[in-house]
Amino acid sequence: QMQLVQSGPEVKKPGTSVKVSCKASGFTFSTSAVQWVRQARGQRLEWIGWIVVGSGNANCAQKFHERVTVTRDMSTSTVYMEMSSLTSEDTAVYYCAAEWDGSGSYAFDIWGQGTMVTVSS
Amino acid sequence: DIQLTQSPSFLSASVGDRVTITCRASHGISSFLAWYQQKPGRAPKLLIYGASALQSGVPSRFSGSGSGTEFTLTISSLQPEDFATYYCQQLDGYIFTFGPGTKVDIK
Repeated sequence: QMQLVQSGPEVKKPGTSVKVSCKASGFTFSTSAVQWVRQARGQRLEWIGWIVVGSGNANCAQKFHERVTVTRDMSTSTVYMEMSSLTSEDTAVYYCAAEWDGSGSYAFDIWGQGTMVTVSS
Repeated sequence: DIQLTQSPSFLSASVGDRVTITCRASHGISSFLAWYQQKPGRAPKLLIYGASALQSGVPSRFSGSGSGTEFTLTISSLQPEDFATYYCQQLDGYIFTFGPGTKVDIK
């Protein structure tokens, strides 16, 4: 079945970086688009960025554009989100979500299980 | 970035009620709007995309409408499993944003 499987929980020190992976299966990875979203405990959803897998073109929210990189590895059908200069405010669950049919409909209907990132000294 | 507002931020309703949630964009976004449902501890679930297209498998009591800057999500007859938080997301251009959410609670 179509699914996204994310990497496991992370505990990081302030000022360091984290790289979260999102492995796709069950659909044609090359024609998909993947977005990254995070949610701090009890807070709203926050959009981080996205990548059009085929072209590799990625964009991030203005808030993150200097410290977030979204990339993909076609050989392993995996998308990565790397965030640098972490602070405690980056503690959240990070989700990836895919639009799988390449239609450009922006129907991000496949979601990963979430990755908890904790930033603490 | 395009900003989204949602109203109300909290809604108390009963099973069987008709519920309407509004999402407004700071700039016109044509029909590039999606609606999600989220329950505690779970990933969001896509309900509506393209402002009015019902995602496969989503009950027909959910519907979306609107274009430009004003959009609505309607639940025609609220069911027990619909108590959750609902978010809109704009997907115009290359930078997307979410609304602040509307929590639907049991009256």
